[in-house]
Amino acid sequence: DAGVIQSPRHEVTEMGQEVTLRCKPISGHNSLFWYRQTMMRGLELLIYFNNNVPIDDSGMPEDRFSAKMPNASFSTLKIQPSEPRDSAVYFCASSLDRYSNQPQHFGDGTRLSIL
Amino acid sequence: AQSVAQPEDQVNVAEGNPLTVKCTYSVSGNPYLFWYVQYPNRGLQFLLKYITGDNLVKGSYGFEAEFNKSQTSFHLKKPSALVSDSALYFCAVRDLDTDKLIFGTGTRLQVFP
Repeated sequence: DAGVIQSPRHEVTEMGQEVTLRCKPISGHNSLFWYRQTMMRGLELLIYFNNNVPIDDSGMPEDRFSAKMPNASFSTLKIQPSEPRDSAVYFCASSLDRYSNQPQHFGDGTRLSIL
Repeated sequence: AQSVAQPEDQVNVAEGNPLTVKCTYSVSGNPYLFWYVQYPNRGLQFLLKYITGDNLVKGSYGFEAEFNKSQTSFHLKKPSALVSDSALYFCAVRDLDTDKLIFGTGTRLQVFP
């Protein structure tokens, strides 16, 4: 059974460029989460979806960040324009549903470097 | 608000010795607690969870965790450490108001041969 798939695994781009991160959740999972991990701030939840609908985006740092989930098998996180402080590892995770006893399954992340 | 604390940034243990990674929590109701492990350049992997029932929870790779309500702790344990257990370990609690997972800051476990 394939896990959560993220692409690309690594992205290096210049400040000001648009960055799009992609995620394919586990088939049958109804909830999808985007996290950011940095040394300074640890693991932060950016946004999560349930049944393709954004439920909570209070962790999205700025208007430069946006996320979509057009269908149950695909989600994107976009940064436009990108800045050096956006450099981090971005994880996507999915779970069966949003309720309390379901573990989240993480992808291997996208390591983003903004020069 | 729910919170979780991992008081140790790093734990060092010799291979074959028992290991403990500490976690304490603060919740307003019954806690839903989780442990995850992260290997280098990988995402977090679910190890085990406590929802209700027995205070001793068994999980993947021989790990277990003991829920202690009076001490508000959920320490991760393993009777005999392996070098391959070296990784970053995260404790998490479910925020029952928002359904979000609140992660601790992580504890780096180093197992020496």
